[in-house]
Amino acid sequence: DGGITQSPKYLFRKEGQNVTLSCEQNLNHDAMYWYRQDPGQGLRLIYYSQIVNDFQKGDIAEGYSVSREKKESFPLTVTSAQKNPTAFYLCASSSWGAGDYNSPLHFGNGTRLTVT
Amino acid sequence: AQSVTQPDIHITVSEGASLELRCNYSYGATPYLFWYVQSPGQGLQLLLKYFSGDTLVQGIKGFEAEFKRSQSSFNLRKPSVHWSDAAEYFCAVGPGGNEKLTFGTGTRLTIIP
Repeated sequence: DGGITQSPKYLFRKEGQNVTLSCEQNLNHDAMYWYRQDPGQGLRLIYYSQIVNDFQKGDIAEGYSVSREKKESFPLTVTSAQKNPTAFYLCASSSWGAGDYNSPLHFGNGTRLTVT
Repeated sequence: AQSVTQPDIHITVSEGASLELRCNYSYGATPYLFWYVQSPGQGLQLLLKYFSGDTLVQGIKGFEAEFKRSQSSFNLRKPSVHWSDAAEYFCAVGPGGNEKLTFGTGTRLTIIP
C-alpha cells in the first residue's frame, strides 16, 4: 500500500541537541510538507517542497531546516535554535505542485517529539 | 489574511444521533474549504472539500458539509454517528494551494453509547 511513513513515532531529546525527523512517501507525489501541531491549535506549516532540491519556508520556519534530495524523502531537522520544540510533527504530501488545490494532502501518522 | 474559527472545542454525541460541527471563516472572496479528520495519534484524512458549484458537498464516511456564503460558514454534518467517528475534526480554508491553507483549532468529538 502506498503511503507516508514517519519515523520514529516517539522521539526524546535533551535540550540543545539537534534532531532529525524522517518522512518517506511512496505515492510518487511531487509536493511534500511539514506541519507542527500543538494542543488546542491548528496545524501550522513549517516548510514545504514542490520539487526535488527546492523548498520554501512556511509560517513557522525559524529553528527548523529541511532537505529534499530525493522525491521520496523530506527530512526535518529541529535545531537547538527552536525555542519550544516539543510538539507533534506531521508530514504530508500531495500529488501535484503545492499550488494546485485539487490535490488533497495525504498525511503520515506523525512523530511526537519531546525535548527536556 | 484568511482565518477560520471552530467555536466548539469538544462535542459529545450519543451513538446514532445526528451531528453538526461548526466552522466559520474569514476571507475576502470565495475560499476553498476543507474538512479533515484525525484519529488519536494519527495523521489527518480528507473528508470533503468545496471549491465551487453545489453548496452541499458529500464526503467520505457519510459526512456532508454545506457552504453558506451569507454566514461565512462551512458546517459539517452527519445524520447518524457511529462510535468509530470519535476523532478530532479540522476545518481548513485557503485561496488555493495547499501551502496557503489555514487550519482551525479543531473540534474533538466523543461518542457515548
